[in-house]
Amino acid sequence: QVQLQESGPGLVKPSETLSLTCLVSGYSITSGYYWGWIRQPPGKGLEWIGTIYPSGTTYYNPSLKSRVTISVDSSNNRFSLKMSFVTAADTAVYYCARVSQSYHFNSGQNHHYMDVWGRGATVTVSS
Amino acid sequence: SYDLTQPPSLSVSPGQTASITCSGNKLGDKFVYWYQQKPGQSPVLVIHKDSKRPSGIPERFSGSNSVNTATLTISGTQAMDEADYYCQAWDIGTVVFGGGTKLTVL
Repeated sequence: QVQLQESGPGLVKPSETLSLTCLVSGYSITSGYYWGWIRQPPGKGLEWIGTIYPSGTTYYNPSLKSRVTISVDSSNNRFSLKMSFVTAADTAVYYCARVSQSYHFNSGQNHHYMDVWGRGATVTVSS
Repeated sequence: SYDLTQPPSLSVSPGQTASITCSGNKLGDKFVYWYQQKPGQSPVLVIHKDSKRPSGIPERFSGSNSVNTATLTISGTQAMDEADYYCQAWDIGTVVFGGGTKLTVL
């Protein structure tokens, strides 16, 4: 049974870089799925951050793309998120997730969705 | 950018049917996914590919998607179904979430 666990500092200073890691257990990270990050500010809805395939293919939220890097560490079966120049608006619960795909015949595309989620890590941006 | 619109809240009595809508331009041309999130918990996938239930999701959860609106239907709503529900679609290389609907069972 696949499980994901986020880890990283719970407090980050403004203008610094937020770094989180997601450890995947019960499944090899290189075995055919994408892996992603989603966040949820206090009292608000879900916001997709980005997704990565172990080969290196990435998709990022256009509104965050300039500040975000997602990478994979296959040897340790984990993937990571780095977000630079954070502000108070980046305060949120950060979730990592396994990303599955559904082939949509009419569009000819694989549509992504999150089928397994981690428990989330709370990150506060404050001085 | 692509937008998905959900009603902020919905109330239903126990045993009744709850229908949560998600609207977007030509949404029927995309797959829609639905997540349930209870307070203090991570989201859980309850519907994928418009109408498919993952293993372990009760049969009372169903979904549909046509033209510009997708609907999550909970038949015989139970107190345990009280939660926030989010729709999600994929648009030109991005994951898009709706704003979420708070379902109250009272």
